[in-house]
This record gives sequence, C-alpha cells and structure tokens, in this order.
Amino acid sequence: GQQVMQIPQYQHVQEGEDFTTYCNSSTTLSNIQWYKQRPGGHPVFLIQLVKSGEVKKQKRLTFQFGEAKKNSSLHITATQTTDVGTYFCAGDWRTGTASKLTFGTGTRLQVTL
Amino acid sequence: DARVTQTPRHKVTEMGQEVTMRCQPILGHNTVFWYRQTMMQGLELLAYFRNRAPLDDSGMPKDRFSAEMPDATLATLKIQPSEPRDSAVYFCASGLVSGAITDTQYFGPGTRLTVL
Repeated sequence: GQQVMQIPQYQHVQEGEDFTTYCNSSTTLSNIQWYKQRPGGHPVFLIQLVKSGEVKKQKRLTFQFGEAKKNSSLHITATQTTDVGTYFCAGDWRTGTASKLTFGTGTRLQVTL
Repeated sequence: DARVTQTPRHKVTEMGQEVTMRCQPILGHNTVFWYRQTMMQGLELLAYFRNRAPLDDSGMPKDRFSAEMPDATLATLKIQPSEPRDSAVYFCASGLVSGAITDTQYFGPGTRLTVL
C-alpha cells in the first residue's frame, strides 16, 4: 500500500531553536495534511497543502509542498515549550472517490528551556 | 464548538471478552474513520465510512473486528474476542467530503484499551 516516510523520528531542541520535520512519498500525492498531537491528546489538524510548490505560514510555522508533490516539510522558527508534541503528515493519493489519508510515522518534538 | 465524542475513554478488559467502542461524529459530517495508535505501528487506519456505507476496512483484522454505523450519529467498533495485542488507543475521526475534495479530519479524544 501507499506509505509516507517521516524524519526524524524524534528531535530534542532548546527553546528558541528552529525545528524541521520532513515527509516523503514514493508516489505523487494529491494533497497533504499536517496534524499535531500533544502528549496524551489526539491529532489536531494544522493545515492542508494542495498545489505543487505551495508554501503556507501560520505564525512561526511554515509548511511547504514539493514541486513534484512527493514531499513536504514543516519548519518551526524559534520553538517554544508549547510546541511540544508529535507532528504527523498525512498523505492523500485520491483513488476515485475513496479518498483517504495515510499518516506518516510522526516526529516527536521535545523542547526544553 | 462541535466535537467528536468517544466512549468509553478508558477500558480495561480480560482476554477473550467483547469490547465495543462508540463514536458520535460531528453533526453534518459524512465520513467517519477508525484509527488505532500504538507506539510500534503508529496511526493505522482500520476502517472508514462515507454516508454510513463502509468504503474500506482493509486495515482491520476481519476475524475479530467489526465496524458499523447504525445511524448517522453513531459509529461502533467491536472486538470479539479481544487479545492483549489489541491494547492501543482507538481514535474515531469525522470529516466532510464533497466530491473529490478531502476535508480536514476531526479526531475524537480516543478510547484507551488495555486487554489483560
């Protein structure tokens, strides 16, 4: 089946440092979504990227979709302790009307003071 | 503030027992997903429904798992008989899909299942 690889699996940063997680698919995606899951919580939608080369920003978070629509990244500038959690990308390959998401393995972010 | 609700939030049971998890999707959403999350396997899609019809349950062990939507306000996931390897957090998510557009998935708080 379709797979989405995500790296790194874990990253520990000092507050104020930047953080990036990468997501890769072997085949072209129709769109990609990003979710954040706080420890003990549930995944919460952050953003959806649809267009080739698309870049979207949410305050300190920057999301990119690759030109070939096979990879994506999430970059956090000047991390804060509130950024702690696991970040998942979720790919959609759109097979007819049976569209569904396949979640990446996630990147767990730890931020310390 | 519309939310997906799931019951129970926690369930501890013994091997061999039946487990039923319930989900109330957000009113008006036409798609419901069941996921299982473990440390080893991450988030796995078990089954999903659109307009109450099952579209894909290929991720679900058929011999012991079953998923249904008896009506638009209730989705159920049953495990019978349960096994220790079923211990995980089970999430339900709902969304609104129109035509070829994939919408956001809204996750419930999850059911943490422990099978002894």
